[in-house]
Amino acid sequence: ELKVEQNPLFLSMQEGKNYTIYCNYSTTSDRLYWYRQDPGKSLESLFVLLSNGAVKQEGRLMASLDTKARLSTLHITAAVHDLSATYFCAVNTGTASKLTFGTGTRLQVTL
Amino acid sequence: DAGITQSPRHKVTETGTPVTLRCHQTENHRYMYWYRQDPGHGLRLIHYSYGVKDTDKGEVSDGYSVSRSKTEDFLLTLESATSSQTSVYFCAIRQGAKNIQYFGAGTRLSVL
Repeated sequence: ELKVEQNPLFLSMQEGKNYTIYCNYSTTSDRLYWYRQDPGKSLESLFVLLSNGAVKQEGRLMASLDTKARLSTLHITAAVHDLSATYFCAVNTGTASKLTFGTGTRLQVTL
Repeated sequence: DAGITQSPRHKVTETGTPVTLRCHQTENHRYMYWYRQDPGHGLRLIHYSYGVKDTDKGEVSDGYSVSRSKTEDFLLTLESATSSQTSVYFCAIRQGAKNIQYFGAGTRLSVL
């Protein structure tokens, strides 16, 4: 059974600071996704990582994938308040693209 | 929103009553999914469909059934709702070569 663990579960950070969210998964997978969810809203796709060593960047967010370590990271650079949200990683299993989600990291950026 | 509409958006029902949630898509996607979201669990897959009349179970399928009689509609039914099925339910479609899933707005279901 595939398990996906995220840490930390909650992150309070000051504007302008850098931090990293970690996503570990237990079995081999061919792709990993990052999503963002604002309170009371749906999930928004951020990144899809398809191969070992893949790195994707969008604004202040950068995601990477190490398939050998079964680890993905989401790095936040110089955080701003607008990044406050819950971030989920999700790992793909099988041809039907069934996703197993981590429990999420709630990010709060304070002034 | 990838052309996904979930209905109803909110529902309150009583234990033991049947409930059907609808997911409607307008872009002819083959794959559709139902997830539930609960605090501390992230999202968990209930059922998915890979075509008309083709469905399969996910991680937490007990107590749920699904149907897909036409491409655009994927229905999730709780035959006899229980309080443990109080949750937010999201429908998703799969799109593109990277198989990204896009989610509907969600249905908040309360079973009293």
